[in-house]
Amino acid sequence: EVQLVESGGGLVQPGGSLRLSCAASGFTFSTYDMHWVRQDTGKGLEWVSSIGTADDTYYAGSVKGRFTISRDNAKNSLYLQMNSLRAGDTALYYCIGARHGFDFWGQGTMVTVSS
Amino acid sequence: QSVLTQPPSASGTPGQRVTISCSGSSPNVGSHSVHWYQQLPGTAPKLLIYSNNQRPSGVPDRFSGSKSGTSVSLAISGLRSEDEADYYCAVWDDSLRGHVFGGGTKLTVL
Repeated sequence: EVQLVESGGGLVQPGGSLRLSCAASGFTFSTYDMHWVRQDTGKGLEWVSSIGTADDTYYAGSVKGRFTISRDNAKNSLYLQMNSLRAGDTALYYCIGARHGFDFWGQGTMVTVSS
Repeated sequence: QSVLTQPPSASGTPGQRVTISCSGSSPNVGSHSVHWYQQLPGTAPKLLIYSNNQRPSGVPDRFSGSKSGTSVSLAISGLRSEDEADYYCAVWDDSLRGHVFGGGTKLTVL
């Protein structure tokens, strides 16, 4: 059974940092592109960042320069380092494994940026 | 404002066929395969259609996708109450160098 379990969310002040983690199981992690997608409460989906199987990385304009995506294939884990957090980054962050589309989704970890 | 345009809402009665549109432009829908996601209330989204018209294993054939130029559509036939959900289209955009989602369509089964 495929599982993606996110962790690391929480309440942080504006300007602060958080590191999200995603533990993957049930599929060959190293052969999948991995993504982070976020969703503010009651709002739509917003793609945040991607990392390919060759460690190529992509970022949404709203997070470029502040967020860093990485992966550890030996640990079947995906990460998102988030710096200089803003109120607009408040959302539920989903970890996603992708081959055809966004095939596998975790349940998400909540990030709240507030003073 | 989303790069991909979806109607905010759609509705139908049980057994009906409904379609949800997603309109884009040349750098996105016009150049790449589009995927559809279903988000049931209180749950994570789920891949419903990939590569414009392909169904993942386990998705009923009541769901189908099509593409024409810079627009795509999701069709749901034999509408059921459990189809009530939010539906999103998504695609890679060459200009933005990233993935984009439509704003989502809330489907109500009357």
